[in-house]
Amino acid sequence: AQSVTQPDIHITVSEGASLELRCNYSYGATPYLFWYVQSPGQGLQLLLKYFSGDTLVQGIKGFEAEFKRSQSSFNLRKPSVHWSDAAEYFCAVSLDNYGQNFVFGPGTRLSVLP
Amino acid sequence: DAGVIQSPRHEVTEMGQEVTLRCKPISGHNSLFWYRQTMMRGLELLIYFNNNVPIDDSGMPEDRFSAKMPNASFSTLKIQPSEPRDSAVYFCASRGDVYEKLFFGSGTQLSVL
Repeated sequence: AQSVTQPDIHITVSEGASLELRCNYSYGATPYLFWYVQSPGQGLQLLLKYFSGDTLVQGIKGFEAEFKRSQSSFNLRKPSVHWSDAAEYFCAVSLDNYGQNFVFGPGTRLSVLP
Repeated sequence: DAGVIQSPRHEVTEMGQEVTLRCKPISGHNSLFWYRQTMMRGLELLIYFNNNVPIDDSGMPEDRFSAKMPNASFSTLKIQPSEPRDSAVYFCASRGDVYEKLFFGSGTQLSVL
């Protein structure tokens, strides 16, 4: 069955530290990949997406993600975390370019220490 | 808990027909959200309810779309009449406290021919 996993339910980092949030998928083909952020009390916002081409994708708010086909992973990174980055992060996957078969991961909660 | 339950999982209909999507939130959650996902526009918030009351429906694209939440355990999203550009995956999500994470349903894959 198709699935998206985010192994870390909750991560805590200090402000200014680097961050990596993990995302793995189980599909036969290379899917389309997304990262969304949900800030407290707010809706979802798209951080970045990967469709094809360069496997290192730049997004908003200083985030980037790298697609690694061999590991079926699409990990989200940020070199220096800000307190405002505290939020819930969702990895999502789509199998085709019609937006069908769209699956969300369970989410990773990020806490930032001052 | 079984999580957020959406039905149907897939819906194929002809243009002009009425479509009703259903959602059962997680028991005890007091906020419910309807999202639409397309590759062109990404994930869009259509409407959300708090304690069964619609709070923000500014994302509802047109009058053809309507949503109801008659009680804490059930919500519907209706499209009448449906059009091909409505084809998308529609997600329902719920959460408890406003600072808690969203829990998503599996989505309804709608195709309007």
